[in-house]
Amino acid sequence: GQQVMQIPQYQHVQEGEDFTTYCNSSTTLSNIQWYKQRPGGHPVFLIQLVKSGEVKKQKRLTFQFGEAKKNSSLHITATQTTDVGTYFCACFSGNTPLVFGKGTRLSVIA
Amino acid sequence: DAGVIQSPRHEVTEMGQEVTLRCKPISGHDYLFWYRQTMMRGLELLIYFNNNVPIDDSGMPEDRFSAKMPNASFSTLKIQPSEPRDSAVYFCASSFGGARMGNQPQHFGDGTRLSIL
Repeated sequence: GQQVMQIPQYQHVQEGEDFTTYCNSSTTLSNIQWYKQRPGGHPVFLIQLVKSGEVKKQKRLTFQFGEAKKNSSLHITATQTTDVGTYFCACFSGNTPLVFGKGTRLSVIA
Repeated sequence: DAGVIQSPRHEVTEMGQEVTLRCKPISGHDYLFWYRQTMMRGLELLIYFNNNVPIDDSGMPEDRFSAKMPNASFSTLKIQPSEPRDSAVYFCASSFGGARMGNQPQHFGDGTRLSIL
């Protein structure tokens, strides 16, 4: 079945530093979604990428879909304490429901 | 707009007891998903429904788990008998779908934090 790998598993940064999480799929994707889960909360949809090489921005967050549509990244510029949480990618290959990665847990030290 | 509503928020019970988790999806959504989240295994899809019909229950860990969706506004996940290893956070999510459920966002409830002693 489809395998989804997310790295790193954990990331601790000083406030103001940048952060990047990477998502890799074993199969070519139709689209990829990103979610954020605050501590004690539930996953919340952030964005969806559909096109090869697509780049989308939301304020300090930049999302990129790989040219081969098998990988994606989420980059946060100048992290803030409000960015704390776990970031999940969720992959759709067209045949099965979304497959979630195990997430990257981000800690921000003020 | 009301989001996905789950109850109870917390459940603590002794092993061997029956546990029933409840979910009310967002009105108009035709897909409903049940997930289990643990530190070790992450977010696991247990079962999902389309228009109240179970489509794939291959993620249900064993026969002790069952799920139903008697109508478009209600679903239950039942564990009987419960075991300590069932302790986890259980999320319900819903989405629009049509033919391509994977390109619509999933909306999650607040989850049920289940502890089996």
